[in-house]
Amino acid sequence: GIQVEQSPPDLILQEGANSTLRCNFSDSVNNLQWFHQNPWGQLINLFYIPSGTKQNGRLSATTVATERYSLLYISSSQTTDSGVYFCASTLSQGGSEKLVFGKGTKLTVNP
Amino acid sequence: DSGVTQTPKHLITATGQRVTLRCSPRSGDLSVYWYQQSLDQGLQFLIQYYNGEERAKGNILERFSAQQFPDLHSELNLSSLELGDSALYFCASSVVGRSEAFFGQGTRLTVV
Repeated sequence: GIQVEQSPPDLILQEGANSTLRCNFSDSVNNLQWFHQNPWGQLINLFYIPSGTKQNGRLSATTVATERYSLLYISSSQTTDSGVYFCASTLSQGGSEKLVFGKGTKLTVNP
Repeated sequence: DSGVTQTPKHLITATGQRVTLRCSPRSGDLSVYWYQQSLDQGLQFLIQYYNGEERAKGNILERFSAQQFPDLHSELNLSSLELGDSALYFCASSVVGRSEAFFGQGTRLTVV
């Protein structure tokens, strides 16, 4: 089945710094999502990005499906960006579909 | 607000007991997923339903079961609970399996 790998596993930044999170997937994907899990445990949708580039405020994401990776860019980081960032993709097999998650990147933004 | 509603938010119960977690998907979504997230662990896929039918099973224990009702809400039943079942349980929904999935706020289960 599809494997989703994220790097780095941990990232510590000072407020105002920029960062790039990477997601590699082992097979061609039909979709790719980025989520932010905040310190309270909520999973928040950031991007649904099977291919191309999207931007939302200080965050942007790029997926290059042919090369099997996606990048999440965080600019001018804030303490509220802290949490775990997950990427996930759908594994489709015989009519079943499940969202497969990477292990996440834990981001800590210090004031 | 994702539009996916999970109840209860918190649940504390004793070992050996049985609990039911409930999920109401977003309006129009036919596909419902359940995930388990243990402390400092990733999101483990448990089971998927589509329009009332089971579509995919992950590493779901035999003590756990789920169903999706005609009104599309879903329930996850956990029985003979063990300390190791303590975790955050998420429900997600999507229109169809490959479309964007949205997660509920989760149910934090503590088994004591």
